[in-house]
Amino acid sequence: EPEVTQTPSHQVTQMGQEVILRCVPISNHLYFYWYRQILGQKVEFLVSFYNNEISEKSEIFDDQFSVERPDGSNFTLKIRSTKLEDSAMYFCASSGGGFDEQFFGPGTRLTVL
Amino acid sequence: DQQVKQNSPSLSVQEGRISILNCDYTNSMFDYFLWYKKYPAEGPTFLISISSIKDKNEDGRFTVFLNKSAKHLSLHIVPSQPGDSAVYFCAASASGDFGNEKLTFGTGTRLTIIP
Repeated sequence: EPEVTQTPSHQVTQMGQEVILRCVPISNHLYFYWYRQILGQKVEFLVSFYNNEISEKSEIFDDQFSVERPDGSNFTLKIRSTKLEDSAMYFCASSGGGFDEQFFGPGTRLTVL
Repeated sequence: DQQVKQNSPSLSVQEGRISILNCDYTNSMFDYFLWYKKYPAEGPTFLISISSIKDKNEDGRFTVFLNKSAKHLSLHIVPSQPGDSAVYFCAASASGDFGNEKLTFGTGTRLTIIP
């Protein structure tokens, strides 16, 4: 069964450093998303991406964040200068569109020290 | 901003009985609702969905009921099995130009099935 994959599973970084979280969505999907879940809180939407551009972003997704689909398979989330409060599980998701459900990856745990 | 609420953080049910998980929403623009199941160290896994034109959707042991006037939905699992023990998230979206809009999640309910 096709699945969304994410690397790395765990990333530890120092405050102020740049991190890139990587995702490989399901191959025939067209819509891509990043969500995050801070420990003990709910899953929150960050950004959606379609046709090589951002479709919607939340207020969390400020200038420190960017997304890219550098080739036909990868979808990345970059945080330019990490803050302590960026520590969370980051989930990538993809969808075929319409009322298709979003399929989630296993997540990357980001720890900012 | 609690547009989607799951007021029960936890629920314990005997194996074989019915599990009922509840979810309330406040945004009347939501027209598509989903339930996801999540195990520790894994991403959410889609379970079942319902669009606002329906009031019930069934898939095997899982049934979702939608009461639009009350802005309430529920997930029924019958019979409950030990493998159903997980955190269940209610999620909602509103149709838009994009075609597949962002999901707004509730805080989750931890379901424990007692053998």
